[in-house]
Order: sequence, then structure tokens, then C-alpha cells
Amino acid sequence: DAGVIQSPRHEVTEMGQEVTLRCKPISGHDYLFWYRQTMMRGLELLIYFNNNVPIDDSGMPEDRFSAKMPNASFSTLKIQPSEPRDSAVYFCASSTRRGGSPLHFGNGTRLTVT
Amino acid sequence: QQPVQSPQAVILREGEDAVINCSSSKALYSVHWYRQKHGEAPVFLMILLKGGEQKGHEKISASFNEKKQQSSLYLTASQLSYSGTYFCGTDINAGKSTFGDGTTLTVKP
Repeated sequence: DAGVIQSPRHEVTEMGQEVTLRCKPISGHDYLFWYRQTMMRGLELLIYFNNNVPIDDSGMPEDRFSAKMPNASFSTLKIQPSEPRDSAVYFCASSTRRGGSPLHFGNGTRLTVT
Repeated sequence: QQPVQSPQAVILREGEDAVINCSSSKALYSVHWYRQKHGEAPVFLMILLKGGEQKGHEKISASFNEKKQQSSLYLTASQLSYSGTYFCGTDINAGKSTFGDGTTLTVKP
């Protein structure tokens, strides 16, 4: 079990550029979550999918953010255009959620927008 | 909808005990606890599904009072390795998980 794999680990970009974060969930997990972590706001749920379908995107900050899950083994979070206030660590997590099973987090992507 | 954790920070000496609390304004389906070390991802500690259920792992245990919509994490005889930020995650249904702001635990020798 390779765990949840996120890429890149670090991303530095200039304001206005497009940023794409990638996530490969654990095989067999049918729930996928995107979280953003900052000192000020803690761990915020942005969006989650069940069986590749977005269930709740109420945490997505604004239209500049979009997320897709084209298949069970891949998801992307895109920010276009990026702004300095988007700087944060973005975590992807997956779970089966059956029997209340926990979330398994990836190592995160540290995004810095200058 | 986000759970509230208390205290925000705790400083302990090795061997001392600590309790971290988590409360929600909504009825909960489950509560789960994670520990995060600086620069790393949150790591799962335990999950509680039933009201009043207590679970334990070595010297770390937790309880869940479904009626009060509260959970507590108990750390006994703390070790240096217990240092980190502890998060409770609460689920109002089988899918969505939201997290508290975290409690930073520092264990000193």
C-alpha cells in the first residue's frame, strides 16, 4: 500500500499563473477529500468526492478554484489565476468511510504564490 | 459546523497527563482523532462511532459522549514523541469530515 500520493510536494509560482495539484488515492477508497491548511484558518475542507462524483464543494473559496476526479485513481485541484492568499499546504485524503473508517492523508503540496 | 477544540495549547513535562476536548453544535455520526507533526501530514490515531464508546491505544485513549456531542482525548504518562498538533475530525454523516483548529501539545523533558 503506497498510501495517498500527491504531487508536486512544493510549488512556487507567480501571481496570476495557473496551478494544478495532483492526487492519487489509495486503491479501493471511494471517498476523496481536498483540504487546505493555513495557520489562520486551520484545516479547511474544500471539496469531497464519492465514487468520482463531487458531493460537496461548499468549501471551495471562489470560482478560481476547481477540482476534478476523472477516474477512481486520480484527482486534480486547479487554481486559475493564483493569488498570494492562496499560499497554503493542500492535502488530499482518501477513505472507504465504511464503518467510519478514517481519512488517510497524502504528504501535502506546499504552495507559495509570490 | 466546524468542531471546537480546547485548549488551544498545552505544555507538559514528560510523564504528565493531558486531556483535549472536542465539541460540536451538531449531532455527530463519528469522531476521529489525528496527530500532526510539524511539516508532516496528519496521522490517524483512533475513531469513535458510538456514543459513550471509549477506545485506547497504548497510553492514548478517547471517549465520545454522543448526547453532549463531545469527545475527549486522554494522553497519560506523556512522552516526548507525543508532541505535535492534535485534531479532532467530526462527521455529521458518513461522508463529510470537518476538523477543529487543533491543540498544540508540547512535551518537555
